[in-house]
Amino acid sequence: AQKITQTQPGMFVQEKEAVTLDCTYDTSDQSYGLFWYKQPSSGEMIFLIYQGSYDEQNATEGRYSLNFQKARKSANLVISASQLGDSAMYFCAMNDPLFNKFYFGSGTKLNVKP
Amino acid sequence: DGGITQSPKYLFRKEGQNVTLSCEQNLNHDAMYWYRQDPGQGLRLIYYSQIVNDFQKGDIAEGYSVSREKKESFPLTVTSAQKNPTAFYLCASRVGGYGYTFGSGTRLTVV
Repeated sequence: AQKITQTQPGMFVQEKEAVTLDCTYDTSDQSYGLFWYKQPSSGEMIFLIYQGSYDEQNATEGRYSLNFQKARKSANLVISASQLGDSAMYFCAMNDPLFNKFYFGSGTKLNVKP
Repeated sequence: DGGITQSPKYLFRKEGQNVTLSCEQNLNHDAMYWYRQDPGQGLRLIYYSQIVNDFQKGDIAEGYSVSREKKESFPLTVTSAQKNPTAFYLCASRVGGYGYTFGSGTRLTVV
């Protein structure tokens, strides 16, 4: 069974500062993918960033980067220069390559303070 | 533009009623999924389908049913057997090794 753990139910960050959202995972597969999604209050899920298990470099997408530590089974999301529009729920997810489905963590609610 | 359309955005169900949530995609994706999200919680998989005319139960399939008669469509029926259906429902699709594309969701409330 696969499991995603997000231990921070809620976080605050000051505007323009960086913030790290934690994610650990548990899998016995060698090949897997890790994803982060943002969910604003409107409800839609917005894809942010992807890291493959065989990727040697950490993924980056604009202000988002993924701190991938395979041995520790962690895939933390780093948001640099936080903006007010970053206030949302953030979900870490991992795919199950055998069954072609995703497992999601319980999410972290990020509040950016002006 | 390609994407996933979920309708309606808001849906109200009376006790004992069956209701159907629509999910249509024009992305030519093979796999489609239904997730349930309760307030402040993560997403839980209800059903998924990898090809037309085939679907599998997810983690919380009891009280729900689906069909996949066309590649573009994956409707979810919330039956009267689902005792606590009030939730936010998200439909998603996927192709190959890429991530999900999500619809904008349907908020179902029992009245």
